[in-house]
Amino acid sequence: GENVEQHPSTLSVQEGDSAVIKCTYSDSASNYFPWYKQELGKRPQLIIDIRSNVGEKKDQRIAVTLNKTAKHFSLHITETQPEDSAVYFCAAGDTGGFKTIFGAGTRLFVKA
Amino acid sequence: DVKVTQSSRYLVKRTGEKVFLECVQDMDHENMFWYRQDPGLGLRLIYFSYDVKMKEKGDIPEGYSVSREKKERFSLILESASTNQTSMYLCASSPNDRVSEQYFGPGTRLTVT
Repeated sequence: GENVEQHPSTLSVQEGDSAVIKCTYSDSASNYFPWYKQELGKRPQLIIDIRSNVGEKKDQRIAVTLNKTAKHFSLHITETQPEDSAVYFCAAGDTGGFKTIFGAGTRLFVKA
Repeated sequence: DVKVTQSSRYLVKRTGEKVFLECVQDMDHENMFWYRQDPGLGLRLIYFSYDVKMKEKGDIPEGYSVSREKKERFSLILESASTNQTSMYLCASSPNDRVSEQYFGPGTRLTVT
């Protein structure tokens, strides 16, 4: 079946450093790629998304890149802060479809 | 601000019991979803609904059923709970013009003993 692979499963960085999380997807029909952040004990929240007609999108300290040919997309967090510590999920779906496939998640630790 | 609520944060049930998990959203979203979240497996779709009384199977529907009698409410039913259904259950909703932009509830941690 279709799947999304996410790496690494755990990432530890020093405060102020950058963090990069990478995902690959298998379904060529995917055209929508959201990223969710889930803090401990809280609900997943959409933090940024990208559509297949765009190669890169930025929102303050976070950015996403998409390589449709290679079926790769990545989340970049710059100048990390302790409050960035959370589990991050990537996902792939299509904007009109109901089945969004999620990656397994990356637990990010930002050390003060 | 979208609000999705779930009836319980924590639930403990015995094997064989019938379990109801309720989800309510207040944004008039057409679409609602039930996922289970397990460590190392991410979120897996159990069922979704795109309209009142309409339901579709997701990737792991076995052992579950759903009910959507009203637009704002989507229930997940475990007919006969088993220990392998111990998990975190997340409900989500989304509007028709942005189906994949899902808003999640706080989750229900279900333990079946």
